[in-house]
Amino acid sequence: DIQMTQSPSSLSASVGDRVTITCQASQDISKCLNWYQQKPGKAPKVLIYDASNLQTGVPSRFSGSGSGTNFTLTISSLQPEDIATYYCQQYDNLPVTFGQGTKLEIK
Amino acid sequence: EVQLVEFGGDLVQPGGSLRLSCAASGFTFSSYAMSWVRQAPGKGLEWVSVVSGLGGNTNYADSVKGRFTISRDNSKNTLFLQMNSLRAEDTALYYCAKSAETAGLRGDAFDIWGQGTMVTVSS
Repeated sequence: DIQMTQSPSSLSASVGDRVTITCQASQDISKCLNWYQQKPGKAPKVLIYDASNLQTGVPSRFSGSGSGTNFTLTISSLQPEDIATYYCQQYDNLPVTFGQGTKLEIK
Repeated sequence: EVQLVEFGGDLVQPGGSLRLSCAASGFTFSSYAMSWVRQAPGKGLEWVSVVSGLGGNTNYADSVKGRFTISRDNSKNTLFLQMNSLRAEDTALYYCAKSAETAGLRGDAFDIWGQGTMVTVSS
C-alpha cells in the first residue's frame, strides 16, 4: 500500500497568514493526489483534485501543487472559516490511502 | 440536489453482523463508482471498499477483506455494505462517497459524501 505522510500534524496560525501543509507519498503517484477539508461534525469536502485543480465552488485562496512524491496545499490568506482538519488522499493505486490529517487552528 | 444518505448504523456485539445502506439522489447513480470510507472516533479517514458503476467489480481494504461485502442496486439508487464478523476496531462513522468522474475502480476524488452512519461494536 502507498503510505501518505502529512506535516505538520497540527498547526496554529493567525487570520491573514499564509499556511502550507505538505504531503509525501511513499512512492511516485504522479499527480494522483486530492486534498479534503473536514470541519468538526461534518463530512469531508474535496478542495483540490489531481494535485492542483480547484474544485468548483472552493475559494481561490486554496491552491495545490506538486507531483511524484511531494505535494503542498496552500491557503494564501487564512480565514476564520478555514478552521478544520485537512487530509491528502492518493488514488494512483488501490487501496486509496489518506494522510493522517493536519488540524488547523486559529492563533 | 445531489445527495447521499446513509442508514443502518447501530450498536452490535463482537462477531455480529450489520448491513449499511446509502440512498443516492440527484445524479445518474450507475455512472459512478461508489465507495465506503470510515472514520473511527477522533481518528483519520480510512477507505474501506469500492464498487464499480455497474456493480461487477469490487475492491476492499485488507482490514475488511473476507468480512465485508459491498454491493449496489442501481434500480433503487442504493449502495450497500454487508458487515460480518464485526470487531471492536470496526467501530467508526461510515460514510458513503461518490467518485467524481469514473465508473470503474480506477481511483478518483470523492466529490459527494453522505453525513455518515455510526457503527459501534461492543459487548
